This record gives sequence, structure tokens and C-alpha cells, in this order.
Amino acid sequence: DAGVIQSPRHEVTEMGQEVTLRCKPISGHDYLFWYRQTMMRGLELLIYFNNNVPIDDSGMPEDRFSAKMPNASFSTLKIQPSEPRDSAVYFCASSSGSPGIQYFGAGTRLSVL
Amino acid sequence: AQSVTQPDIHITVSEGASLELRCNYSYGATPYLFWYVQSPGQGLQLLLKYFSGDTLVQGIKGFEAEFKRSQSSFNLRKPSVHWSDAAEYFCAAYLNNNDMRFGAGTRLTVKP
Repeated sequence: DAGVIQSPRHEVTEMGQEVTLRCKPISGHDYLFWYRQTMMRGLELLIYFNNNVPIDDSGMPEDRFSAKMPNASFSTLKIQPSEPRDSAVYFCASSSGSPGIQYFGAGTRLSVL
Repeated sequence: AQSVTQPDIHITVSEGASLELRCNYSYGATPYLFWYVQSPGQGLQLLLKYFSGDTLVQGIKGFEAEFKRSQSSFNLRKPSVHWSDAAEYFCAAYLNNNDMRFGAGTRLTVKP
């Protein structure tokens, strides 16, 4: 398997623009997680899905953030409008079953100018 | 509140020396425990995990970790560090609801 695939790897945008981050989980995994990593706050869980259904979105910082999982092989994290404080590395991870080992993608480094 | 603490932000060891990275957790019950490693510009790679059973867990790259319930600890060890081990190490835990909590990370520098 190719592992968890995230795109793009780097994104530079201007404040106020919409940003969409993409994730393809490992085939057969039924859990998908979105994390944000910053120097100040470390790794934070934003939201996770089970069988394409959002289970816990309590980590989503504001209404500007939204996540979808239209099918088992694809998820998006959208920020609209983006702000400079959203600059961070965003990771997607997937796992099988519970408890499960989470496998991480390489991340998307987002810079909002 | 559930939390994971890594007391050491940065550790420097000489190549060939032994390594121990500390991790403590605060949960109402024993959580599932993990160690991940992150190389610069990369995602997190699982080193090892503890779910139950033998308290000494072997992982990849020659790492091991010992679960100590009495100390609420899950410390990572390696007998002889290689220059390629320089990276950031994260301890993580979750209990039942897939809400993985990560420690702040320990950055390992390896001196030649």
C-alpha cells in the first residue's frame, strides 16, 4: 500500500482565500483523522471520522474550518476564509478498527500570508 | 484531564551512547500508548505500541519501551544511538474514544 497520501505538500495563500487540503487514507481503514501541528500548540486533533461519518469535531477551532469525507477513499479539510494564524502543518492519519494504530501522511505545510 | 507529558524538550546524546526518553500519562485508566518519530519535513512514523500484556515492548529501529503502571510512565529506550536517530519523538495515548493525545515532543540531537 502507498500509505496515507496528502496533497498538496505545500500551500501558500493569501489571507481571505479558501484553502482545501486533501487526504487519501490507506485502503480498508475505517477511521480517518485530521491533525494540526504548530510550534506553540504541538499536535492537535481537529476531527475524526469513522466509516465516513464525523464522530468528534470538538477540536475544529472555528466555523471557518470544515471537513468532509464523501467516500472511504477521500477526505478534505477546508478553511474559508484563511487567516495567518492558520499557518501550520496539517496531517491526515488513518487506522483500522479500535483500538487502532494510526498511520500518518507526510503532511501539508500551509502558509497564509 | 487526560494528558501526556514529555518532560524533556531537547536531549543531546553522543553517537553510540544509550538513550532514554521519558513519557508520563494522566488518565483515569491505563490508556493505549504509542511512540512515534518525526524526521524533519516528514510525517509521524510509529515506533512501537502498548495495548496490554508484556510491559516491555520492542519496536522498530532497535527501540524499546517499558510500561510502568505504578509510575504512569512509558519511557522509550535505545542501547546505542545512531546519527540517523536524530529526530523529534512523540509519546501518545488514547482511551476508548480514539482521541489521541500527544506529548509536546522531545527533540533528539546526536553528537558525532
